[in-house]
Formats: sequence, structure tokens, C-alpha cells
Amino acid sequence: DGGITQSPKYLFRKEGQNVTLSCEQNLNHDAMYWYRQDPGQGLRLIYYSQIVNDFQKGDIAEGYSVSREKKESFPLTVTSAQKNPTAFYLCASSISTEKLFFGSGTQLSVL
Amino acid sequence: AQSVTQLGSHVSVSEGALVLLRCNYSSSVPPYLFWYVQYPNQGLQLLLKYTTGATLVKGINGFEAEFKKSETSFHLTKPSAHMSDAAEYFCAVSRANFGNEKLTFGTGTRLTIIP
Repeated sequence: DGGITQSPKYLFRKEGQNVTLSCEQNLNHDAMYWYRQDPGQGLRLIYYSQIVNDFQKGDIAEGYSVSREKKESFPLTVTSAQKNPTAFYLCASSISTEKLFFGSGTQLSVL
Repeated sequence: AQSVTQLGSHVSVSEGALVLLRCNYSSSVPPYLFWYVQYPNQGLQLLLKYTTGATLVKGINGFEAEFKKSETSFHLTKPSAHMSDAAEYFCAVSRANFGNEKLTFGTGTRLTIIP
């Protein structure tokens, strides 16, 4: 079955630590996105990539980094510079913005 | 810049009653408009979308929405609520004919169904 897989489902970060969230898709989509979801704030775009080896900052990119070395993969690193990382992180992919396909999310918490 | 405003962060309706979730948008160019649904601890699923053509669009699970340019609105409705409709609903906007452009989401409306 085609889809988007995010792992892990739950992740804990210690002070000063970088953590990486995985996102893999087998839908052959060119575009991939990372959103952060906080209660009452909806989804905010962190980074997006429209093609391999290229990506753009979204609205809240500070404290995050990404790479897009393969079409199927778009990992997100939450760096120690992100002072408030606790949130639900959603990865999505699409052929066009007419329909985004979302993964099931990763809940990141701070120890 | 584009934006959407969802009126009411929480809406409660009785089972069998009309569901109305409100969304107003702001866009300097013709918009594409979307409604997505999120069940607890899951990702989002597309309910319906307006791109071009008919302004009344029908989606999955009996939902529909009407694009009203004069009112800059794209409200979501369902004639009769089901317990399974309890979820969070997000309105989103993008620019028409801009290919793979990013979506801008609203803050969401949590729908509760009263038995």
C-alpha cells in the first residue's frame, strides 16, 4: 500500500540534544512538507521541498533543519536552538497542492 | 499573503442535527480552498476542495461546502451529524494555478457530537 510513514510515533528530547524525525513516502510525490501542530494554533509550515536536493523555509523554520537527498525521504532535525520543541509534527507529500497526503505524526516532548 | 479564519474553536451539535463550520479566507489572487479532517492522534485527510468550476463542492462522509466569493467564505456543512463526525476540522487556502505551492491552514474547529 502506498502512503507516508512517520517514525517514531513518540520521541523525547533532552536539553541541548538534537533529534531527527523520519518521514518516508512511496507515493512517488515530488513535494514534501513538515508542519508543526500546537493546540489552538492549527498547522504551521516549518519547511517544504518541491524537488530532490532543494527545500525552502516555511513560516517557522528557526531551530529546525531538513535534507532532501532522496525523493522518498524528508527527515526533520529539531536542533537544540529550538527552545520550545514540544508539539505534534506532521509530514505530508503531494503531486500538487490540490491534495496533500499526511503521515500519522510524531509527538515530540521534552524531558 | 493568504490566510483563513475559522470562527469557533469548538462546536457542539446533537446527533442528527445540522453541522455548520465556518471559514473565511483572505487572498489577493484566486484561491484554492480545502477542508481537512483530523481524528485523534492521526494525520489529516482531505474532505473536499474547491479549485475551479462549480462553487458547491461535495466531499466524503456527506460533507459539502460552498465557495462564496462575495462573502470570502467557504463554510462546511452536513445535514445530519453522526457520532463518527467528532474530530477536528481545518480549513486551508492556497493560490490557484501555482502548482505545488504551500497550503495555509486555519487554527481548526473541534466538533463534538452530543448523543
